[in-house]
Amino acid sequence: TQLLEQSPQFLSIQEGENLTVYCNSSSVFSSLQWYRQEPGEGPVLLVTVVTGGEVKKLKRLTFQFGDARKDSSLHITAAQPGDTGLYLCAGALTGSQGNLIFGKGTKLSVKP
Amino acid sequence: GAVVSQHPSWVICKSGTSVKIECRSLDFQATTMFWYRQFPKQSLMLMATSNEGSKATYEQGVEKDKFLINHASLTLSTLTVTSAHPEDSSFYICSARDWSGGTETQYFGPGTRLLVL
Repeated sequence: TQLLEQSPQFLSIQEGENLTVYCNSSSVFSSLQWYRQEPGEGPVLLVTVVTGGEVKKLKRLTFQFGDARKDSSLHITAAQPGDTGLYLCAGALTGSQGNLIFGKGTKLSVKP
Repeated sequence: GAVVSQHPSWVICKSGTSVKIECRSLDFQATTMFWYRQFPKQSLMLMATSNEGSKATYEQGVEKDKFLINHASLTLSTLTVTSAHPEDSSFYICSARDWSGGTETQYFGPGTRLLVL
């Protein structure tokens, strides 16, 4: 059973379109992190959210942590080809040793 | 953000040899580092948690005698793949946990691609 369900798995859109990626769980997380990974490289941290209901913005990216800290979303406005990559959500379970639980990832392709 | 380096970035070796991969936190101290494995087009799979000054904690199904982990200092963890075989070929990524600013964050290295012939 996947503890952190990430959807969609694949997303192919045109430049300028908006998109949302979701991460859902029945478990409560003390924090949740979003990463972006390009082929052959390690994941790069985009944001960490820790408070239920928290919203963080990073240029055209908006991250939201659910009120109950069980889910999160990443919204990209006016996607650009440079946004192409694998987006990973990862949560730290409450009371755990801090090990991250990763979603399966969303492979985003933005066509010019 | 904090920087984590990995060395080597890629390695090709013959079957039966051992390969050591280094993970370093460059601008912060990390009592805990993590080793992941990633297959093509898949997400990261946690292999083990590396704790400075103590034994690593391995995930279920990961052979501790095959994947030796040493975390001798607060900035360095090493993963040694012993007697490597072609099925060990993969992308290995480490991360280091940073507690700066009161929030726990994991920063990842750039990864090491291992090809066993």
